[in-house]
Amino acid sequence: DTEVTQTPKHLVMGMTNKKSLKCEQHMGHRAMYWYKQKAKKPPELMFVYSYEKLSINESVPSRFSPECPNSSLLNLHLHALQPEDSALYLCASSHGSAVETQYFGPGTRLLVL
Amino acid sequence: QKEVEQNSGPLSVPEGAIASLNCTYSDRGSQSFFWYRQYSGKSPELIMFIYSNGDKEDGRFTAQLNKASQYVSLLIRDSQPSDSATYLCAVNTNNAGNMLTFGGGTRLMVKP
Repeated sequence: DTEVTQTPKHLVMGMTNKKSLKCEQHMGHRAMYWYKQKAKKPPELMFVYSYEKLSINESVPSRFSPECPNSSLLNLHLHALQPEDSALYLCASSHGSAVETQYFGPGTRLLVL
Repeated sequence: QKEVEQNSGPLSVPEGAIASLNCTYSDRGSQSFFWYRQYSGKSPELIMFIYSNGDKEDGRFTAQLNKASQYVSLLIRDSQPSDSATYLCAVNTNNAGNMLTFGGGTRLMVKP
């Protein structure tokens, strides 16, 4: 089973709203990732959690705040977003070693008005 | 120079033909290479991964890696209209961490 789930599938929010994206996997993976993907562009890495600790933050604005409550869950808290933050947000997971396959969830399509 | 480069396409092939997708990378220390397929509006789906020089076959798909020339390719035999998608090449360029660098993707169109 290589399933990563994400909720919600779609999200519309205003610039003053606070919302959260959720990602879950039950494959025993110890590394989890957040990516942002704009139309016709490749995924851009935002954050990496390795063994529940934030290991990589790719200079993401503070209006995006990741959280890893446990080894199966990954959240992305959103606050005061801008319209240019509208994108597909992808979660991925992998076993946790340095060189291995990442499996993507279905993504959350975010629209910021 | 981009770290991972792909021709954006579209690459158009007739049904039943072989589609050849290419990817070059700049970091000689890269050790693992992945091909993802992404349908419009969907998330990337892993097709194949390859770590060693040479060919790796899985059904209609063959990945080829040449580390000396720093390229990796994906061949799709007997192409079907359902193969029409964007194919993303991804390279692990940081062996100290779990980071993938993606190419821009090649859009493949298989015409009936």
